[in-house]
Amino acid sequence: QITLTQQAESLWVSPGEKVSITCRASQSLLYTDGKHYLFWYQQRPGQTTKALIYHASIRTDGVPTRFIGSGSGTEFTLSIEDVQPEDIALYYCLQTLRKPWTFGGGTKLELK
Amino acid sequence: EVQLVETGGGLVQPGNSLKLSCATSGFTFSTAWMNWIRQTPGKRLEWLAQIEDKSNNYFISYLESVKGRFTISRDDSKSSVYLQMNNLKEEDTAIYYCTSFITTPLDYWGQGVMVTVSS
Repeated sequence: QITLTQQAESLWVSPGEKVSITCRASQSLLYTDGKHYLFWYQQRPGQTTKALIYHASIRTDGVPTRFIGSGSGTEFTLSIEDVQPEDIALYYCLQTLRKPWTFGGGTKLELK
Repeated sequence: EVQLVETGGGLVQPGNSLKLSCATSGFTFSTAWMNWIRQTPGKRLEWLAQIEDKSNNYFISYLESVKGRFTISRDDSKSSVYLQMNNLKEEDTAIYYCTSFITTPLDYWGQGVMVTVSS
């Protein structure tokens, strides 16, 4: 199965700063259709899990533009520019190139 | 507004069974692929099962470690998806989420239901 590694378990950030969360795959997530099958999700306490980014770089409807997905092949990044207090959450990457779908271990964004 | 509401969780002894239900609204359920995901106490997320729609003959796939013990099913007339879990083990203790694949994988999630397997 494809393993996704989110190196940082926790990241500390101050409001207004930029932060980057990385996700590394054990094999390329590029399919023959030219799309990367890598997705990002946000889990905030007391709220349902939210889909943020699909196919590595496309924001889901309604997601603020400060959330930016990038990367290719096996290396992907979720960047949050001008971090807001409501961005404090757990962030997960997911691959759906191959079954079983697998998640990264999660990165917890915390306030300094 | 899309809503997914899981029910059926609880405390169960090892070896016993439990059936989770997920009632949905706010989207065309019959064409959505539905999934079950679980989150361990350590916050690790694990994809468990998927059931596709009628046009794909309700094709089902499972995580290998739950195949034979867990069964996913759906009732399009009730806009609901289910997870029958048999021979439960302590390592099945987790929050179980119902999720949709309407346009993109896992685009909507329920609030989750806790399953505790303990003697």
